[in-house]
Amino acid sequence: GAVVSQHPSWVICKSGTSVKIECRSLDFQATTMFWYRQFPKQSLMLMATSNEGSKATYEQGVEKDKFLINHASLTLSTLTVTSAHPEDSSFYICSARDYYTDTQYFGPGTRLTVL
Amino acid sequence: RKEVEQDPGPFNVPEGATVAFNCTYSNSASQSFFWYRQDCRKEPKLLMSVYSSGNEDGRFTAQLNRASQYISLLIRDSKLSDSATYLCVVKPGGYNKLIFGAGTRLAVHP
Repeated sequence: GAVVSQHPSWVICKSGTSVKIECRSLDFQATTMFWYRQFPKQSLMLMATSNEGSKATYEQGVEKDKFLINHASLTLSTLTVTSAHPEDSSFYICSARDYYTDTQYFGPGTRLTVL
Repeated sequence: RKEVEQDPGPFNVPEGATVAFNCTYSNSASQSFFWYRQDCRKEPKLLMSVYSSGNEDGRFTAQLNRASQYISLLIRDSKLSDSATYLCVVKPGGYNKLIFGAGTRLAVHP
């Protein structure tokens, strides 16, 4: 099946720094990618929809200036958490939509810890 | 009201038991429905899509009731490896995004 990778798989950073997370679709082209956040024992919450070559669409309550999304190619989307704070510590998961099968494939997630 | 609601559980069942999970959704225009499985600290993985006519995949059976806006998952002959969180997922009509329920935790014990 289709594979989606994320890098890094985990990161620990100091408060105030920025962290970039990459999401790649490895064997299919993804015009649309999605970024989710999951806090412990809670559901996945969609943060934004990333469309190749255009601006991301953010869900209500998600600060677009804090969570910068770039989808410059059909196989790569990046999420940058700017000026991270401890409350941003979470599990960030991306998914990529295979246009032809209309199936979403999830990346393995990135665990962010902000000290 | 949450868009997708599930009983969080946990469901603690012995090996070999049959267990059923339910899910309700609020958007009557929703088009597609899925069950995902998520293991601890891992990404969700698609278990099965849910069709109006109901569908079965081995020990797993999914049912959809559009009139009641209700989805179910039945697991027969539970295995230890079935222990996980089961996520009910709905795709609203006209959108590519998925809406996740909070998940139902299943623990199968020997």
